[in-house]
Amino acid sequence: DGGITQSPKYLFRKEGQNVTLSCEQNLNHDAMYWYRQDPGQGLRLIYYSQIVNDFQKGDIAEGYSVSREKKESFPLTVTSAQKNPTAFYLCASSIRRGSYTFGSGTRLTVV
Amino acid sequence: GIQVEQSPPDLILQEGANSTLRCNFSDSVNNLQWFHQNPWGQLINLFYIPSGTKQNGRLSATTVATERYSLLYISSSQTTDSGVDFCAVEPKDSSYKLIFGSGTRLLVRP
Repeated sequence: DGGITQSPKYLFRKEGQNVTLSCEQNLNHDAMYWYRQDPGQGLRLIYYSQIVNDFQKGDIAEGYSVSREKKESFPLTVTSAQKNPTAFYLCASSIRRGSYTFGSGTRLTVV
Repeated sequence: GIQVEQSPPDLILQEGANSTLRCNFSDSVNNLQWFHQNPWGQLINLFYIPSGTKQNGRLSATTVATERYSLLYISSSQTTDSGVDFCAVEPKDSSYKLIFGSGTRLLVRP
């Protein structure tokens, strides 16, 4: 079955550490996205990529970095510069002018 | 940027009741989707509906793009409908960026 796989489901980060969240899709979608969700809130866009080797900042990109070396993969690194990283992170993909499909998310906690 | 407002923010229903959720948006959009987020955080696509009306079982949705709103109808609600329903739009001036409303938190009691 086609879909989006995010890993890990739960991630714990120590202060000052960088961590990388994985997102893989086998839907052959060109565009991929990373969203952040805080408790009781909607989703906010971190980064998005419309094509391989290209990506743009979303509304809350500070403290995050991404890469898009393969069509299927769009990993997100939460750097030590992100001062409040505890949140639920969701990856999505889409075709042009089409509906978006989301992964099951990664819960990141700073310990 | 575009504003997406959902109402009501919270909704409590008795099982079997019907309800309507509303999504208003402040500018023209290319796409509009309704999602349901279950208690485990998974976002499930309910409708991809940039305009018109669609139905899927007990759920239906209508988008009137010219008046910048969309409605999600829930009929004969069930406890499994509990969760958060989100409206999200792709603005005409910013393709490939889905902007979310703050959601309607739905609780269906048995």
